[in-house]
Amino acid sequence: EVQLVESGGGLVQPGGSLRLSCAASGFTFSSYAMSWVRQAPGKGLEWVSAISGSGGSTYYADSVKGRFTISRDNSKNTLYLQMNSLRAEDTAVYYCAKGNYGDYFAWDVWGKGTTVTVSS
Amino acid sequence: QSVLTQPPSASGTPGQRVTISCSGSSSNIGSNYVYWYQQLPGTAPKLLIYRNNQRPSGVPDRFSGSKSGTSASLAISGLRSEDEADYYCAAWDDSLSGQVVFGGGTKLTVL
Repeated sequence: EVQLVESGGGLVQPGGSLRLSCAASGFTFSSYAMSWVRQAPGKGLEWVSAISGSGGSTYYADSVKGRFTISRDNSKNTLYLQMNSLRAEDTAVYYCAKGNYGDYFAWDVWGKGTTVTVSS
Repeated sequence: QSVLTQPPSASGTPGQRVTISCSGSSSNIGSNYVYWYQQLPGTAPKLLIYRNNQRPSGVPDRFSGSKSGTSASLAISGLRSEDEADYYCAAWDDSLSGQVVFGGGTKLTVL
């Protein structure tokens, strides 16, 4: 079964750091681009970042550029999101999603999400 | 304020056909593919349409996507109660350094 499981969310103070992980199973992880997409409480979807299958290309939303870093370990079938200098507006459910059909942004598999709360 | 503009709500009765619009600009919809996602309450989004009008396997053909110029639409025919959900459009935006932009979402109510 194709599956994505996020972890690493929690409560962090403004200015703090957190690293999210997304464990993938049931498919050849290195063959697919991956993304992080977030959803603030009661709000819509917001794309955060994307990475190519090899990890050689990365892309970021303006709102997180310079603060967040996406990476992947294809030997461990795991996607990461290192989040630094966190702000209240980063509070959201963070989903990892798998691109398919040769398209970075055709996310056909999603995890259940992990919640990040930035508050003092 | 979302870069792509969707109506906040839409409604229809069972069996009806409804359309949800998504308006953008030349830097996003006008020059890139459009994607549509469905989000049922309390769940992760689901891919409905990719590359403007392509349906993933398993998505009923009641769902169809189209694009014209800087606007796109999602049509749902034979409306069913289980279609009640939030619907989001998305596209890559070439402005600045490039990023994916979403619409604000449309809450579809099946009356």
